[in-house]
Amino acid sequence: DAGVIQSPRHEVTEMGQEVTLRCKPISGHNSLFWYRQTMMRGLELLIYFNNNVPIDDSGMPEDRFSAKMPNASFSTLKIQPSEPRDSAVYFCASSFLGGEKLFFGSGTQLSVL
Amino acid sequence: QQQVKQSPQSLIVQKGGISIINCAYENTAFDYFPWYQQFPGKGPALLIAIRPDVSEKKEGRFTISFNKSAKQFSLHIMDSQPGDSATYFCAASDAMNYGGSQGNLIFGKGTKLSVKP
Repeated sequence: DAGVIQSPRHEVTEMGQEVTLRCKPISGHNSLFWYRQTMMRGLELLIYFNNNVPIDDSGMPEDRFSAKMPNASFSTLKIQPSEPRDSAVYFCASSFLGGEKLFFGSGTQLSVL
Repeated sequence: QQQVKQSPQSLIVQKGGISIINCAYENTAFDYFPWYQQFPGKGPALLIAIRPDVSEKKEGRFTISFNKSAKQFSLHIMDSQPGDSATYFCAASDAMNYGGSQGNLIFGKGTKLSVKP
C-alpha cells in the first residue's frame, strides 16, 4: 500500500490567493483527518470525516477554510483567501473507523507570502 | 481540561543512554494514550500506545509507564540510538466515548530528541 498520499508537497503562494491541498487516504479506511502543524501550536485537528461525512469541523480556524470529501478516496482542504498566518505544514491522516492507529501522509508545506 | 502537556521540549542524549519524555493530562475520561514518532519531512507515525488498565507496556527498546492516579505517562527509550533522533508526540483520547473515532485525539507539543553518537 502506498500509504496516505498528499499533494502538493510544497506550496508557495501570495496572500489573497486560493490554495487547495489534496489527500488520498489508504484504501479501505473510512475516517479521514486534516491536521495543521506549527511550532507555536503543535498538531491541531482541523476537521475529520467518517464515511465521507464531516463530523467535527470545530478546529477549522475561519470561514476561509473549507474541506470536502466527495468520495472515499479523495479529500480537499481549501483556503480562500490565504493569509501569511496560514503558513504551516498540513497533514492528512486516515484510519479505520474505530481503529486506534492514525496513518499520516507526508504533509504539505504551505508558505503564504 | 483538554490539554496534554509534554516535557521537555528538547532532549539531548548520548548513544546508549536512556531517553525519558513525560506527559500529563487533566481529562479523566481519556482512555487511550499513544506516542507518535516524527522524522523531518515525514508525518507522525504510531510508535506505541497504552490503555489505563495497565501501568506499563514494553515494545523492544520503547516502554510506556502510566500513572493513572497522577494522570501522567511517560516514554522511555532504552539504549538510545542516533536513528531514534526525531520528534516525539504524546497524545490522548477517549475514543470509546467518541463514537469509536480518534476525532478527539489531543497531541502534546512534541519533544525533539537528539541522540549523539
